[in-house]
Amino acid sequence: DTAVSQTPKYLVTQMGNDKSIKCEQNLGHDTMYWYKQDSKKFLKIMFSYNNKELIINETVPNRFSPKSPDKAHLNLHINSLELGDSAVYFCASSHSTGSNYGYTFGSGTRLTVV
Amino acid sequence: AQSVTQPDIHITVSEGASLELRCNYSYGATPYLFWYVQSPGQGLQLLLKYFSGDTLVQGIKGFEAEFKRSQSSFNLRKPSVHWSDAAEYFCAVGAMEYGNKLVFGAGTILRVKS
Repeated sequence: DTAVSQTPKYLVTQMGNDKSIKCEQNLGHDTMYWYKQDSKKFLKIMFSYNNKELIINETVPNRFSPKSPDKAHLNLHINSLELGDSAVYFCASSHSTGSNYGYTFGSGTRLTVV
Repeated sequence: AQSVTQPDIHITVSEGASLELRCNYSYGATPYLFWYVQSPGQGLQLLLKYFSGDTLVQGIKGFEAEFKRSQSSFNLRKPSVHWSDAAEYFCAVGAMEYGNKLVFGAGTILRVKS
């Protein structure tokens, strides 16, 4: 059983298109995240949801819109894709409290904008 | 501001040799500390974490890390490196006070020579 699953694994698309990445976790965690890993492998948080409520929204262009229909799912929709959006996007989940705090990451979605 | 520094971009060690990867942090709250490993094209796997208590923590794959508050460090060690340890290693810091956001270092690429 995959703990945190993302789809698709690879996404190649043209500039200006709109695309979505889906994420699901079956760990019973109450918090989910999106991270972006750039070409230099630097990881930076984009969004965080706790029980469907947005709690972290870093300085991300508003072309990026997360949606959490329930606490097991966090999707990322990107409008008007640009070349600079090319990166690997990681979904993660965690408990929000206690010593179980610590992320479990998905395997990533490699987005290439051409 | 929260920050994590991994001073070594690349490290090369011989198989069977010992390893130490450095991590220093700057954080305004009581930090939780993590080490993750990323193999090429893969997601991030948690190696170990420190919350409180014994400052020497044991992780998976024979790794350990020591928290030194006075030096704001959380260095990762392994007594004998295997070729399969070649990967990129990320130190990360988080705190409940910051909404469970993890701040990552830039990573250290480990190469193992036979």
